[in-house]
Amino acid sequence: GAGVSQSPRYKVTKRGQDVTLRCDPISSHATLYWYQQALGQGPEFLTYFNYEAQPDKSGLPSDRFSAERPEGSISTLTIQRTEQRDSAMYRCASSRRGRGETQYFGPGTRLLVL
Amino acid sequence: SQKIEQNSEALNIQEGKTATLTCNYTNYSPAYLQWYRQDPGRGPVFLLLIRENEKEKRKERLKVTFDTTLKQSLFHITASQPADSATYLCALDIKGGSYIPTFGRGTSLIVHP
Repeated sequence: GAGVSQSPRYKVTKRGQDVTLRCDPISSHATLYWYQQALGQGPEFLTYFNYEAQPDKSGLPSDRFSAERPEGSISTLTIQRTEQRDSAMYRCASSRRGRGETQYFGPGTRLLVL
Repeated sequence: SQKIEQNSEALNIQEGKTATLTCNYTNYSPAYLQWYRQDPGRGPVFLLLIRENEKEKRKERLKVTFDTTLKQSLFHITASQPADSATYLCALDIKGGSYIPTFGRGTSLIVHP
């Protein structure tokens, strides 16, 4: 596609519910990243994929967070049993390969947990 | 612990002047450093990348320096314009090991006409 897209753009949910966020990267890009960004802060790494492989998920805050990229293109980030502290902007980025490559960010999904 | 520091206070300058933003880091040995621009409500946009063996990189009105001894990068915008007003983020890649891009919190630049 022309750029990285994310859906939904906004999500309001109640504490305890599960949510799934979607990222559609640039079609030729092998590497996909998920970040969490709090207001006034830089993006904080959650996990990344090289195609469908997930080499590092050390940034995921707890085992309630999981991510998939089963066919090496679209990715989902799922948060189970959401908590209010999960409220944040979730950003996805993609790059042609990995290290040293420009990351192209999507518009983000604003999650609010009530 | 590893840390990236960017000035949390906004930088206010007059149009036409040179803006200089600082990114300091501790306990890293980065392979390269990137600068991004972020406008309110939008995702970061890549500006420049500089590698550990490079001292300086330029692109139009932008200049980045990288001093691995001082553990510091400076980002300069010459002949600044109000349209340059945004938050500027630096990001490091730690040399070796798993690839975990690490961002600073960003510095807000406000260019006054």
